[in-house]
Amino acid sequence: DGGITQSPKYLFRKEGQNVTLSCEQNLNHDAMYWYRQDPGQGLRLIYYSQIVNDFQKGDIAEGYSVSREKKESFPLTVTSAQKNPTAFYLCASSIGPPILYNEQFFGPGTRLTVL
Amino acid sequence: AQKITQTQPGMFVQEKEAVTLDCTYDTSDPSYGLFWYKQPSSGEMIFLIYQGSYDQQNATEGRYSLNFQKARKSANLVISASQLGDSAMYFCAMREGSLPADRGSTLGRLYFGRGTQLTVWP
Repeated sequence: DGGITQSPKYLFRKEGQNVTLSCEQNLNHDAMYWYRQDPGQGLRLIYYSQIVNDFQKGDIAEGYSVSREKKESFPLTVTSAQKNPTAFYLCASSIGPPILYNEQFFGPGTRLTVL
Repeated sequence: AQKITQTQPGMFVQEKEAVTLDCTYDTSDPSYGLFWYKQPSSGEMIFLIYQGSYDQQNATEGRYSLNFQKARKSANLVISASQLGDSAMYFCAMREGSLPADRGSTLGRLYFGRGTQLTVWP
């Protein structure tokens, strides 16, 4: 079945440690996105990538890094520079080019807790 | 300024009744698309319905319809015949622009509202 997978579903880390969240899609989509969701908040864009080997910062990129070496994969690293990393992280993809009506498909999310 | 505003943090509706979830948007781009997503307690985001700024008719998808009032910049979601399984968080989102995104442009990204928590009771 085609879709987006994120692993792990729950992730616990000690403060000061870097952690990488996985996102893989087999939908052959060009564009991929990372969002952060805090309780009572909407989704805020961290990074997005429209094609392989290219990505742009979103609204809250500080303390995060990404790579896009393969079309299928868009891992997100939460670095120790991120002040409040505990949140729910959602990965999404959409078929390229990102024209108006192309919906974004979302993965199941990773809930990161920093202790 | 917020691009998407959802003013109802929570809504309650009885099973089988209709409910309207409000969404207003802010853009100066004449071309834009509006989306509604549902997020159950499990966390995944489920696409419900889409409305383009140039669409002449309001979008409908099964029990979901979009009350699109362009002059008021509102795109309210109407759920008819509510079911217990409709209890979830609902997000309104917008994408601006009608051209394929150039490299490095912000076209293609979605702007989300803060959501409305809908509770359907028996």
